[in-house]
Amino acid sequence: NAGVTQTPKFQVLKTGQSMTLQCAQDMNHEYMSWYRQDPGMGLRLIHYSVGAGITDQGEVPNGYNVSRSTTEDFPLRLLSAAPSQTSVYFCASSWTLNQPQHFGDGTRLSIL
Amino acid sequence: QQQVKQSPQSLIVQKGGISIINCAYENTAFDYFPWYQQFPGKGPALLIAIRPDVSEKKEGRFTISFNKSAKQFSLHIMDSQPGDSATYFCADPTGNQFYFGTGTSLTVIP
Repeated sequence: NAGVTQTPKFQVLKTGQSMTLQCAQDMNHEYMSWYRQDPGMGLRLIHYSVGAGITDQGEVPNGYNVSRSTTEDFPLRLLSAAPSQTSVYFCASSWTLNQPQHFGDGTRLSIL
Repeated sequence: QQQVKQSPQSLIVQKGGISIINCAYENTAFDYFPWYQQFPGKGPALLIAIRPDVSEKKEGRFTISFNKSAKQFSLHIMDSQPGDSATYFCADPTGNQFYFGTGTSLTVIP
């Protein structure tokens, strides 16, 4: 099993550009989420989804959009990249919130 | 608003020693408290978790202890090994969200 797959692994953008970070899971998990990890700040929730067609905001949603058209995929869109969005982004999935979350290996994003 | 406060930020322990990491939570559904371990370049992975019907859970060298009245839970790593060197996160799933602590960077010196 592949688990949670994130692409790309690395990306450099210029301020104002847009892009989509991809996340796919093959475990038929209902709950999926996106986090950003910054030094000294741990993992902060950006957006999450409790099932296909249902998404909601987390702790730091500004500047990001998500959609969940299928159970497997949960892409994260940066609308107009800003240097403050330079971070490592992790996607995770689980059966429910109170079950182990399975993380991808992250996307390292730099915005110049 | 920080939901979970984790300490210390970093920890250096000699091989064979005991590593202790603490987390204090503010508001919680009090249903499930996991600890995650993260190695450089990788995503976090579940290490051990506890549910509120027990005050302590042990898996090998790793033990979670839970103090409901103090709103704290702790991770103890016995006989720490260099391979345990990683960043550790506690988490509190409340509502529909996962609140992670800020992480503890553990270094075990051979």
